[in-house]
Parts: sequence; C-alpha cells; structure tokens
Amino acid sequence: KQEVTQIPAALSVPEGENLVLNCSFTDSAIYNLQWFRQDPGKGLTSLLLIQSSQREQTSGRLNASLDKSSGRSTLYIAASQPGDSATYLCAVRFTGTYKYIFGTGTRLKVLA
Amino acid sequence: GAVVSQHPSWVICKSGTSVKIECRSLDFQATTMFWYRQFPKQSLMLMATSNEGSKATYEQGVEKDKFLINHASLTLSTLTVTSAHPEDSSFYICSATLSGGSYNEQFFGPGTRLTVL
Repeated sequence: KQEVTQIPAALSVPEGENLVLNCSFTDSAIYNLQWFRQDPGKGLTSLLLIQSSQREQTSGRLNASLDKSSGRSTLYIAASQPGDSATYLCAVRFTGTYKYIFGTGTRLKVLA
Repeated sequence: GAVVSQHPSWVICKSGTSVKIECRSLDFQATTMFWYRQFPKQSLMLMATSNEGSKATYEQGVEKDKFLINHASLTLSTLTVTSAHPEDSSFYICSATLSGGSYNEQFFGPGTRLTVL
C-alpha cells in the first residue's frame, strides 16, 4: 500500500532557528512530490514541487530535498519566523496515477 | 499563475438538505479536476477524479450517489453533497490540472468548509 508519513506531527521552535521537516513514502516509484503549507481553516499553498528526476528545489528560505531510493524528502526552513507557523503537508504522486497521497502533516509553531 | 477558485468558501446547512460546491479554473482549462476531503486534524483524502464530459471516478469507500460530481466544462466542476448529515461536515478541496499537459502539477483551490447541523 502506498503511504506517506510525516514526522514530527508537531514542532515548536524559537524564532530564528533552522529546522527540518521530514516526509517518508513507501514506494520509490514516484512521479513528483509537493510540499504545501496550510494555515488554520484555510486551503493549501504550494511551496515546492520536486520532480522525480530532481534532488532538490529551493525557494527563498525553503529548500526541499528528495531521495527516492530511501523514500524520503525533507523540507528545510532557514531562519524561521513566527509567520512560518502553519501545518506543512507533503504530498506524493506515485508513478502510474494522477492522484496525490498526502501525509498527515507537521504543525509548526515558531515562537517570537 | 494557474488559479483555482471554489464557491462557497463556507456553508452551513441543515441535515437532509443538499449542498453544491463549485470548483473553477480561472485562467486555464482543466480536463481533470480532483475532489479531496479533509476531516478535522486529518490529512486530505482523495474522493474522486472528475473528467470533463465523462463520469467521475470515485475512490473506494466514497458513495457516488451521495457525492454527485459534474464536470460539464473545461473550467468548472461541481460537487453536490446530497442529503447531507453531520458526519459529512468537512473541508472539501478541489484541484485541477492543465489540459494538454502531463498532469505535472495540480493547482489547489482554497477549500470549502461544510458544516451540517
């Protein structure tokens, strides 16, 4: 069964810290992987999309890496800010399907 | 960039009534749209795949007669929750892929929060 898991489920850090969110998936045959941000009661904001052939993507203070062989992706947030507080979701599109399988998310709180 | 809208953003209805949620691709044509559901403190789960001009494909465990999907044009898909009950209260999110593309990326709508009393 194709599954996506995110660890930790919740994380609280002081402002300014660099942090890493983890995403693991059970099947290495993926088409692409997306990281999203979701604020409470709101929809999804796409942060980064990594294609199967790529190792990482960067956008501002965010860097996402992909290691298909180990079934892992990480989202690195540099110099965290209170405005980064949100739930971060990892979603994987496995080969041969159009749908995304979402992880359960990591709830991040950055303390001022 | 590709923008997907949903209407309404939130709705409260009485048990037994039907509710229609719209998903529109504003600046692109979408052959395929997807409907997801998110229960409180849970992640998103795909409900169905909606293809323009054909019947939707439902995921296992999703009642097709309860969740009616219509994808009548390349820019609009609708989800109708029929005879809604409190357990249908959830956050419904749609996504759309560009027509003619490789379905490389899905663009997500802002979601609709449904509360059934």
